Amino acid sequence: DGGITQSPKYLFRKEGQNVTLSCEQNLNHDAMYWYRQDPGQGLRLIYYSQIVNDFQKGDIAEGYSVSREKKESFPLTVTSAQKNPTAFYLCASTPGLRSGEKLFFGSGTQLSVL
Amino acid sequence: GQNIDQPTEMTATEGAIVQINCTYQTSGFNGLFWYQQHAGEAPTFLSYNVLDGLEEKGRFSSFLSRSKGYSYLLLKELQMKDSASYLCAVSANTDKLIFGTGTRLQVFP
Repeated sequence: DGGITQSPKYLFRKEGQNVTLSCEQNLNHDAMYWYRQDPGQGLRLIYYSQIVNDFQKGDIAEGYSVSREKKESFPLTVTSAQKNPTAFYLCASTPGLRSGEKLFFGSGTQLSVL
Repeated sequence: GQNIDQPTEMTATEGAIVQINCTYQTSGFNGLFWYQQHAGEAPTFLSYNVLDGLEEKGRFSSFLSRSKGYSYLLLKELQMKDSASYLCAVSANTDKLIFGTGTRLQVFP
């Protein structure tokens, strides 16, 4: 089955700790995205990548980092510099937005601070 | 700047019809998406409009007016399972999808 997989489902972070959220897709999509969602809010873009070894900052990139070493994988690291990391994190992929293709979403990771 | 506006919350009765509006101001326009999201779950795709007019898909329809920067999602024969958030998103000549804050719909018996 093709799809996009996020892990873990739930993650807890201690003060001063970096944590990494995994996102893997086997849809052969070029573009991948990370969004953050706070309770009762819409999706805000953290980082996105159109091609391997290249990525761009979204609207709220501070305190986060990403890598795109493989087409299938786009991990997100929440660093200790992110002072309010508690949120629902969604990874998504698409063949290409400019050609009218939709975003496919993973099932999300709920990150909480201990 | 880029701005997408939707009502924050709406309520409706089972079996009724509800219209969720979305207005947008963006630099360029490729198309408009509607997604449904149940609490704690990923958004699921509902519709995509690129040309003016109404797109019908079962109980759900979506309308677009590019000249007015306006879209709506129409849900007919409401069911309890339609209680969810509905997200309007615009693809605007970039490689990013811009989301509104979402409309939380509650359906009552």
